[in-house]
Amino acid sequence: DAKTTQPTSMDCAEGRAANLPCNHSTISGNEYVYWYRQIHSQGPQYIIHGLKNNETNEMASLIITEDRKSSTLILPHATLRDTAVYYCIVRLPQGDEKLVFGKGTKLTVNP
Amino acid sequence: SAVISQKPSRDICQRGTSLTIQCQVDSQVTMMFWYRQQPGQSLTLIATANQGSEATYESGFVIDKFPISRPNLTFSTLTVSNMSPEDSSIYLCSATGGHYGYTFGSGTRLTVV
Repeated sequence: DAKTTQPTSMDCAEGRAANLPCNHSTISGNEYVYWYRQIHSQGPQYIIHGLKNNETNEMASLIITEDRKSSTLILPHATLRDTAVYYCIVRLPQGDEKLVFGKGTKLTVNP
Repeated sequence: SAVISQKPSRDICQRGTSLTIQCQVDSQVTMMFWYRQQPGQSLTLIATANQGSEATYESGFVIDKFPISRPNLTFSTLTVSNMSPEDSSIYLCSATGGHYGYTFGSGTRLTVV
């Protein structure tokens, strides 16, 4: 079973920041938080990951609480192309660790 | 990260027949996986495709229904056998990206009639 809890759906206005929360209260000390998204009819796409520090890349920022029991994915300036299902996944960083998907959050960016 | 080519992209099949889906990676990868995504649902892991040995299946999936081959480090196939309408789904393969996550194919949309 997935180790994360996410809201089923969220809406965001185009150009505004989209903040997607994720709860992972049972995360272990060496597990990372990964975020993927799936745009309609495509395979999932890696976005970002982190252990305990905040992370930023060209796609998004990841804010992890100090106790690591929750995190927030931030899309700073959402566009219509960011409409997708966003999955928060907790896993070990080893290359042979399988990905287990929860239900994710359906983000709709509105014009 | 690795680039995955998956084919066919879609197919419509008669019940009782089988379909083999191919997954080609542009570089050698350690791990490959097969997922199923039923309409409106999240991804469910079917199995881990092991190079040179039998695949490792998740609970609820069996080799007779979903035989998998992995002859080398860049290629794998998934066969959906004796299909029924309940097998209508998107099937996706993925390959390890190491520490930075996994890459996915674009999926095979299967409709069984």
